Amino acid sequence: AQSVTQLDSHVSVSEGTPVLLRCNYSSSYSPSLFWYVQHPNKGLQLLLKYTSAATLVKGINGFEAEFKKSETSFHLTKPSAHMSDAAEYFCVVSGMFSGGYNKLIFGAGTRLAVHP
Amino acid sequence: ETGVTQTPRHLVMGMTNKKSLKCEQHLGHNAMYWYKQSAKKPLELMFVYSLEERVENNSVPSRFSPECPNSSHLFLHLHTLQPEDSALYLCASSQDLPGRVGTYEQYFGPGTRLTVT
Repeated sequence: AQSVTQLDSHVSVSEGTPVLLRCNYSSSYSPSLFWYVQHPNKGLQLLLKYTSAATLVKGINGFEAEFKKSETSFHLTKPSAHMSDAAEYFCVVSGMFSGGYNKLIFGAGTRLAVHP
Repeated sequence: ETGVTQTPRHLVMGMTNKKSLKCEQHLGHNAMYWYKQSAKKPLELMFVYSLEERVENNSVPSRFSPECPNSSHLFLHLHTLQPEDSALYLCASSQDLPGRVGTYEQYFGPGTRLTVT
């Protein structure tokens, strides 16, 4: 079975400092992994995805994530936080229904606050 | 922006009302999803349609009734809801290949903020 754990429910950084949002996953096969972002009162937007190609994945808005199989981790980073990065971030692993259909398994989310 | 639209964006309804949420995707995808997002709880998958056939009903109460008339449209019919059903309801779509482990990301609409009074 697949699962995902986001290690921090809240992260607070100052503008211009690095961002690290941590995610560990569990999967019985080689997974696809995603990070989504949700700004207040908005839907979820795909930031980036890993699908067994390069282990360092670059996404939108300067974010990137590194797939580390030995650590079962997929942490999200950004070198320099911007005020507009304040949002909720979800780490997601792909899974499968018993009927063979695709589904996504969401972490509980990490709320990122960015201070001036 | 994502190619998935939802209407209405906000809905307030009493417990005896009947209403419907609408979702439309303009991406040519063949799978559509309803999620419920409540405060302080993880995103909950409610229903999945693949090729217009419902393939998952995730133990959702019968007061929620989905309908998928074609691959571009998805409805969620609501009746006799409870206050605890107040939440953000999100629709998503993806290009799905049955029987394959998914590498396929889902694209989400902006959601309908539902308040049950």
